Amino acid sequence: GQSLEQPSEVTAVEGAIVQINCTYQTSGFYGLSWYQQHDGGAPTFLSYNGLDGLEETGRFSSFLSRSDSYGYLLLQELQMKDSASYFCAVNSGGGADGLTFGKGTHLIIQP
Amino acid sequence: KAGVTQTPRYLIKTRGQQVTLSCSPISGHRSVSWYQQTPGQGLQFLFEYFSETQRNKGNFPGRFSGRQFSNSRSEMNVSTLELGDSALYLCASSLRQGDNEQFFGPGTRLTVL
Repeated sequence: GQSLEQPSEVTAVEGAIVQINCTYQTSGFYGLSWYQQHDGGAPTFLSYNGLDGLEETGRFSSFLSRSDSYGYLLLQELQMKDSASYFCAVNSGGGADGLTFGKGTHLIIQP
Repeated sequence: KAGVTQTPRYLIKTRGQQVTLSCSPISGHRSVSWYQQTPGQGLQFLFEYFSETQRNKGNFPGRFSGRQFSNSRSEMNVSTLELGDSALYLCASSLRQGDNEQFFGPGTRLTVL
């Protein structure tokens, strides 16, 4: 089976940096994705890591270590609009799992 | 380019009934995946369709089924509804089967009474 672990909630201050971790146990692994979902909204794609290392997209960066089955999403210069839930998702290459999502991390930004 | 659309947006049914949800993918996208989202279980994969064929299926009972049409539009059906089927059902489209970047629709909020 597949399992992904991420913190349920993280609180940070506007303008600061926050890291959301994700560890996974999967029978197959092609890569780790991150999605953002605002309350009442649809998940939107943020980033994908297929290889080890850091991927940077503006204020957001994502990191993957395949040997450690671990990744993280780094958000810099936090803004109030970044308050949302963040999901890591594993692409295990098909089968019964499709994209397997973690339970999500609710990010609270304080002024 | 228009996004993924889902109809209806809200639905109330009673136990034992069946329901059909519809999803229109982004133009040119040929893969459609369905997910169930609940507060307790999070986002769970239901199935993926590509070129009118079910390519992958999650661990849901046979009451959950779907299909895809030649224009890539997809429907999912849930028969013999149970209270636990109350959830947000999300559809996501992508260009190819198994793409990591999926584009989600707004979802259908199903309430089973």
